[in-house]
Order: sequence, then structure tokens, then C-alpha cells
Amino acid sequence: KNEVEQSPQNLTAQEGEFITINCSYSVGISALHWLQQHPGGGIVSLFMLSSGKKKHGRLIATINIQEKHSSLHITASHPRDSAVYICAVNSGNTPLVFGKGTRLSVIA
Amino acid sequence: DVKVTQSSRYLVKRTGEKVFLECVQDMDHENMFWYRQDPGLGLRLIYFSYDVKMKEKGDIPEGYSVSREKKERFSLILESASTNQTSMYLCASSIPGQGEKLFFGSGTQLSVL
Repeated sequence: KNEVEQSPQNLTAQEGEFITINCSYSVGISALHWLQQHPGGGIVSLFMLSSGKKKHGRLIATINIQEKHSSLHITASHPRDSAVYICAVNSGNTPLVFGKGTRLSVIA
Repeated sequence: DVKVTQSSRYLVKRTGEKVFLECVQDMDHENMFWYRQDPGLGLRLIYFSYDVKMKEKGDIPEGYSVSREKKERFSLILESASTNQTSMYLCASSIPGQGEKLFFGSGTQLSVL
């Protein structure tokens, strides 16, 4: 079974800072997902990627298949970015395996 | 717009009660999943289903059962609720295929007293 590790577990940043959240996994995958969960809210999918890089607004996700590693970057962070960010991976036909999440707090 | 609806946002039950958590999706997705989420443990898969009347055990199925009589509805059943089943329960659905995107419900916070 794939092991998914995220770092850091908790992150506090000042508004405007550039933020990086890391995810590593142990076994080859077909896709990697980044998800966002606001306090008291449901989970929404931010990105699904299998290679290279994707960008959506101030969010950028990258993946290095050889190194089994992905990063989620947030540029010009804002307090509304405060949430738990979760990495998850697909391997073949098995259900997603999730990391434990990174809790981000952005302070004005 | 895609929608996964969970029947209750908050639920309080007593130890020993039988509890039903309902999940309905309107996207004609084959795959449906039940997770529980606990602080420090992340999301853990309880049961999943890849089609009507099919079910598969996830990582932590003990104390739970599921029912999938219709494609759009996936029910999680706690046969005899216990205090260690106090948790946030999340339902999700997806289309099968490599790297399928998950759509989540807003969750049910269950407290067992």
C-alpha cells in the first residue's frame, strides 16, 4: 500500500508570503490529487496531476514522478487561504490513499 | 453543478443505537466511498462501492456496514454505535478510471454519547 507523507503538519504564514506544502509517496502512482478543506466545510479538489505542473490562480502544483514528490505552492497568500490541504494518490484501480493533511493559517 | 448530499450535518446518538448515514449523488457516478476523518489521523476509508449492490471493505470496516441498492445512494450503517465511532463522516463519489477526481459531501459530524 502506498504511504503518503505531507510536510509540514502545521504552517503559519503572514499575508503575502509564498507558501510551499510538500507531499511524498512510496509507490508509483497514476495520479496525485491536492484537496482543500476549510474549517467546518467539505473537501474540494484543487488539482489532479500525473506529470509536470498545473496552475490555477495563485495556486501551483508540481509533481516529480522520478522522485515521488509533489509540491503545492500558494503565491501572495491571503487569510482566506487558511485551510487544511490534503495530498492523495491513485495507484491503478485501488482507492485513493490520503496524507494526514497540512493545516495552514495565514495571518493578516 | 455536481452535488453529493449527506443527510445530516450534525447527529447525536446514544451508545448501542443503530445509526444510518445517507449519501446521495446526482452525477450518475459508479464509485462511492465512505470515509471518517479524525484529528491527527486524516481520512480513512471505511467502505466503498464500484457499482449497485457491490461493496468492498476499506481500511477500517469494523463496526460498520453499507448498502448500495440504487446507483445514486450509498448508506453507511453503524449496527451498534460506540463512543469510539464519534467522528466526522465524509461521503464521496467519482467516475471510474485512472486518477478519478473525487467529489465530497459536506460531512456529518456524529457524536455518540
